[in-house]
Amino acid sequence: QAGLTQPPSVSKDLRQTATLTCTGNFNNVGNQGAVWLQQHRGHPPKLLSYRNNNRPSGISERFSASTSGSTASLTITGLQPEDEADYYCSAWDTILRAWLFGGGTRLTVL
Amino acid sequence: EVQVVESGGGLVQPGGSLRLSCTASGFTFSNSWMSWVRQAPGKGLEWVATIKQDGSETFHVDSVKGRFTISRDDAKNSLYLQMNSLRVEDTAIYYCATDTMTNWGQGTPVAVSS
Repeated sequence: QAGLTQPPSVSKDLRQTATLTCTGNFNNVGNQGAVWLQQHRGHPPKLLSYRNNNRPSGISERFSASTSGSTASLTITGLQPEDEADYYCSAWDTILRAWLFGGGTRLTVL
Repeated sequence: EVQVVESGGGLVQPGGSLRLSCTASGFTFSNSWMSWVRQAPGKGLEWVATIKQDGSETFHVDSVKGRFTISRDDAKNSLYLQMNSLRVEDTAIYYCATDTMTNWGQGTPVAVSS
């Protein structure tokens, strides 16, 4: 199964804003929306945003998600050192009947 | 508080079998789709399998079809992954995830090596 497309790396300065993207097609991101996960090295993934760009309780308002067509975006404002992590998007594909993952974006906070 | 705890991982030779378990609490397990996701060393996340809330349908990634089987026991709030004919490339941390990837366990490591 083909995956979703994410840039491998993004670097931004402390306190700046980073926008991470995730591109799929009409059968996955464009239909079901995407979920966003954060993973620090050596730890399991943590959900940041789920379908329809909702944020679970306990997740900072600095994280916000949106979708335009078949591209999902995660915007992180006021970057902090602890935001340095790998970020993955995922979406259910209604034709493949499979969860697809992006390859992940490594965010570096300078 | 939602908790999922994986177990059953270990070292196995190529061609061998393992059965992973995931025990869940803090939510209505029987109402939730459940999934297995794995992560090979230094690599990204890869979906492995998903099972509907009533167990009526299962879905597996192509690379494990015919070798791995996802199942559930709602009476025990448990999810399973039976892994047969294991290959070196199946080496990974295996995570159990709830619903739409909402909650994750700590993972259980599987190493396939001779």
